[in-house]
Parts: sequence; structure tokens; C-alpha cells
Amino acid sequence: NAGVTQTPKFRILKIGQSMTLQCTQDMNHNYMYWYRQDPGMGLKLIYYSVGAGITDKGEVPNGYNVSRSTTEDFPLRLELAAPSQTSVYFCASSYSMEPGGNTIYFGEGSWLTVV
Amino acid sequence: KQEVTQIPAALSVPEGENLVLNCSFTDSAIYNLQWFRQDPGKGLTSLLLIQSSQREQTSGRLNASLDKSSGRSTLYIAASQPGDSATYLCAVSLNAGNNRKLIWGLGTSLAVNP
Repeated sequence: NAGVTQTPKFRILKIGQSMTLQCTQDMNHNYMYWYRQDPGMGLKLIYYSVGAGITDKGEVPNGYNVSRSTTEDFPLRLELAAPSQTSVYFCASSYSMEPGGNTIYFGEGSWLTVV
Repeated sequence: KQEVTQIPAALSVPEGENLVLNCSFTDSAIYNLQWFRQDPGKGLTSLLLIQSSQREQTSGRLNASLDKSSGRSTLYIAASQPGDSATYLCAVSLNAGNNRKLIWGLGTSLAVNP
């Protein structure tokens, strides 16, 4: 089972460049999320989606954009990269109607450095 | 404001020891609590999910308990092994249906020494 797949694993960006982190899941989950994880700060929600065509801001959305054209894919776009966006990014998904709760499944992460 | 705290931040134990990781939260109005494992350079793996109406969940050598009234959860690991070395995070969900209101702890970094 592939689960949640993120690409790229590692990327170095120059200040002002743009890029897209790709995320796809094969579990037919309706909910998808993007988190960033910084040392000592814990996981912070950037954006989330409750289904194709529906996205909403999380806790730290500034500097990012998302789209959800299909159930499977939830790309995260960084516009005008800044050093503050150096972080580890995780895509995740869950199924709202899962019996017993909403187990969340994570991708393996994308390490982004902005220099 | 809901806050989640995990103590200790780091723990080192010899192999075979039974151990307890702690997670506390400030507001008892939670929907569920989840425990995750994170290996270095990897994503998070869900270990156990406890609904607010439940007291505990078990999976193999892992047992998680939940005491909403005191705002505490514990993750018990029996007969620890070097392969258990990882960071363990807990998160509380404030909403039914999705995880947009997950509040995360900073984790406990566990090292199990052979």
C-alpha cells in the first residue's frame, strides 16, 4: 500500500523562487492536510481540504497556496520562498467516516531549505 | 486555549524496561486523543486513537489510557526494545469528523539501549 506519497524528499530553494510540493493518497480519503514541523515548535497546520474543490486555511497559511482538483492530490505551492519557510513539510490524510475516530496518515516528509 | 504538554522531553532506558510516556492537556473538551510515533527522517505513524468516551486502547505491547477529567493520557510500552527508539507525539482533536483542530505536543524522544 502506497498510502500518502510526497515529492520531493529534499529541495533547496533560493529566496524568491517558487515551487510545488506534491502529495497524493490512494486511500480514497476525503480529508487532506499540509503541516510544517519546526524544531521546538511542534506541528503546525498550513492548509487543509475536506474534499475535492474545497480548501481552507489552517494556523500558518501565509506564503502558501493549495488546490484540490481531485480526491487523490493536494499540492502545496510556495510563492516567493523566504528563509522562514525552511522546514519539514508533511502531507496527511484521513477519512471522516472512519468508525471509531479519524486516524490520520502521514507522508514521509519533504525537507525544504531556503537560502 | 487548549495546550498539550509531553513530559519528559527525552528519555533513555535499558532494553527490557517497562516505561510510561505522559501527555497532558489543559481543556477536557476533546473529541479524541491520538498517539504517534516518528522515526528520524520519517513521517508520523498513528499508534493508538482513544475516543473521548473510552478509557484505554491496546495494540501489542502498547497501551494508552485517557483520563479526561484530569487532562492526562499515558502511553505504556511493555518490555521495551531498541526498535522502539523514536519520538512519540500525542495530539488531541477538538472536532468530530476531521483533524483540522488537532493540537500537538512536542513529543518525547525515546532511546532504548541494548
